[in-house]
Amino acid sequence: GDSVTQKEGLVTLTEGLPVMLNCTYQTIYSNAFLFWYVHYLNESPRLLLKSSTDNKRTEHQGFHATLHKSSSSFHLQKSSAQLSDSALYYCALSDQEGTGSNRLTFGKGTKFSLIP
Amino acid sequence: GPKVLQIPSHQIIDMGQMVTLNCDPVSNHLYFYWYKQILGQQMEFLVNFYNGKVMEKSKLFKDQFSVERPDGSYFTLKIQPTALEDSAVYFCASSSGQSNTEVFFGKGTRLTVV
Repeated sequence: GDSVTQKEGLVTLTEGLPVMLNCTYQTIYSNAFLFWYVHYLNESPRLLLKSSTDNKRTEHQGFHATLHKSSSSFHLQKSSAQLSDSALYYCALSDQEGTGSNRLTFGKGTKFSLIP
Repeated sequence: GPKVLQIPSHQIIDMGQMVTLNCDPVSNHLYFYWYKQILGQQMEFLVNFYNGKVMEKSKLFKDQFSVERPDGSYFTLKIQPTALEDSAVYFCASSSGQSNTEVFFGKGTRLTVV
């Protein structure tokens, strides 16, 4: 079945530095959609970015990611991290061909913590 | 933005008892989901529901689980009877469509089975 790997469980950075959170995935289907969800403490997980287009950069709220099907990756990046970015970040995959049901497969999440 | 409400936020229940988790989806959404997250692990798909029927369920959706949404009321997940391994955070979600439409999540219900 589908799987998503986020190899960093915790990333700690000083405010203002660039950040990259890793995400790789496995699926047998060619038409995969990749998502990043952000989960702030005591809030609901909410969609940050999504993409299904190979090699096209997608951006939102200062974050960006590019889906690379050749390497099955969808890394999340930001050029200058802010204290308000401290949260849990989940990478997720949906394969429309396989299920057609918008079912999401999540990674374990990366806790991103900023130091002033 | 659109909100999915989950009631209660926490529930403690004795093993073997029945529990019902309630979800108020986004008002015009048609597709409803439950996900389970055990502490320290990823969110895992349980079930999705459309037009009064289960569309798809995972292996985690045991026979003791059931879902329904009587007209105009909550979308519910019922577990009867509960087991210790059912302790987790259960997230409800909804979307307006299927393919690549945004899925909105609730804050989750933390269920503890003792």
